[in-house]
Amino acid sequence: DQQVKQNSPSLSVQEGRISILNCDYTNSMFDYFLWYKKYPAEGPTFLISISSIKDKNEDGRFTVFLNKSAKHLSLHIVPSQPGDSAVYFCAASGVDSSYKLIFGSGTRLLVRP
Amino acid sequence: EAGVAQSPRYKIIEKRQSVAFWCNPISGHATLYWYQQILGQGPKLLIQFQNNGVVDDSQLPKDRFSAERLKGVDSTLKIQPAKLEDSAVYLCASSLAGASTYNEQFFGPGTRLTVL
Repeated sequence: DQQVKQNSPSLSVQEGRISILNCDYTNSMFDYFLWYKKYPAEGPTFLISISSIKDKNEDGRFTVFLNKSAKHLSLHIVPSQPGDSAVYFCAASGVDSSYKLIFGSGTRLLVRP
Repeated sequence: EAGVAQSPRYKIIEKRQSVAFWCNPISGHATLYWYQQILGQGPKLLIQFQNNGVVDDSQLPKDRFSAERLKGVDSTLKIQPAKLEDSAVYLCASSLAGASTYNEQFFGPGTRLTVL
């Protein structure tokens, strides 16, 4: 039972363009969402988060949008840079899961120079 | 500030052998997590400690996996005996706050285990 889904295993974008990574969840009790970025042979690093009381959170080139009615969130990277090439994991958390992070399967982003 | 340290970085063993992984969290972090990440999947929580007590081990296969966190600092995760399906990256993470709220988790580089 996958509660957090990232349906696109990979995404390729030209440098300078927008990257949009998508994530869907099934548990309506999730109320905190995070994006992690992972380079090869390294652990995931926190990128950006959003609480369910908001529908948008921005940090520099990174913006996360949350659509609670659709149980969908997305990460926008503008402009995309080659250094953004990595695997991006969406994660969700909530009080009914004891604040455990439930991760999606990840999307591999390639930013072409 | 030093990050989460893990060792070894790579381990290859035969099935039915035993293996142990070590984790040193960021200094002062109360909560420590062990995750299993199978190729093509996201990290899955195995066990969560707050200080030296277990908060959640509901997804730990207790017939073969064990973990401890002595003195509320370092932690070890053991598999005995290993099965082929245990091949994965084992990630350790730590967070400053306790387990009753949202808090950023800092991950170590992981140990890649291959079971032959």
